[in-house]
Amino acid sequence: EVQLVESGGGLIQPGGSLRLTCVASDFTVSSNYMSWVRQAPGKGLEWVSIIYSDGITTYYADSVKGRFTISRDNSKNTVYLQMNSLRVEDTAVYYCARAYDFWSGNTDWGHGTLVTVSS
Amino acid sequence: SYELTQPPSVSVSPGQTASITCSGDDLGNKYACWYQQKPGQSPVLVIYHDHKRPSGIPERFSGSNSGNTATLTISGTQAMDEAYYHCQAWDSSTPLFVFGTGTKLTVL
Repeated sequence: EVQLVESGGGLIQPGGSLRLTCVASDFTVSSNYMSWVRQAPGKGLEWVSIIYSDGITTYYADSVKGRFTISRDNSKNTVYLQMNSLRVEDTAVYYCARAYDFWSGNTDWGHGTLVTVSS
Repeated sequence: SYELTQPPSVSVSPGQTASITCSGDDLGNKYACWYQQKPGQSPVLVIYHDHKRPSGIPERFSGSNSGNTATLTISGTQAMDEAYYHCQAWDSSTPLFVFGTGTKLTVL
């Protein structure tokens, strides 16, 4: 059964850093487009970042560009999101999601991990 | 930046047809998909590639995408369909992965 399990969320002060982890089961992250999507409390979904199957191509939402970095470890079948210079407005549930291709949509999602940025 | 606009809320009576729109510039030339999200749960893909249904999604869910508007249609709406629905556009040339503003579907 395909599974995505996120971890690494928590309470962090503004300006701090966190690294989110997404461990995949029953499929290979290196063969898919892996995204991070977040949802602030009571708000809609916001795409954050994506890493292509080539492992080199990455893109970021303007709201996180220069502060967040997406990466993956093929040997661990894991995707990461390094979040630096965190702001109060980064508070959200962060989901990891997988897509086969551009036409497939995000077919599988994790349960999410909550990041709270507050002093 | 690219934006996708959805109505904040749509109401429908059980057994009737619900339509939820998603509007964006030249959306018809991008891939549109739709997600259902119930409170406290992760999103579930219900339509991909504009109009295709993933395995396990009921036939009452259908989609279309043309011009500047993608539409999710739920025929014979059931109480279990009450949820938030989010559209997303994918475009490899831009590239683009933006989500819509989200719509709360209420089955009265």
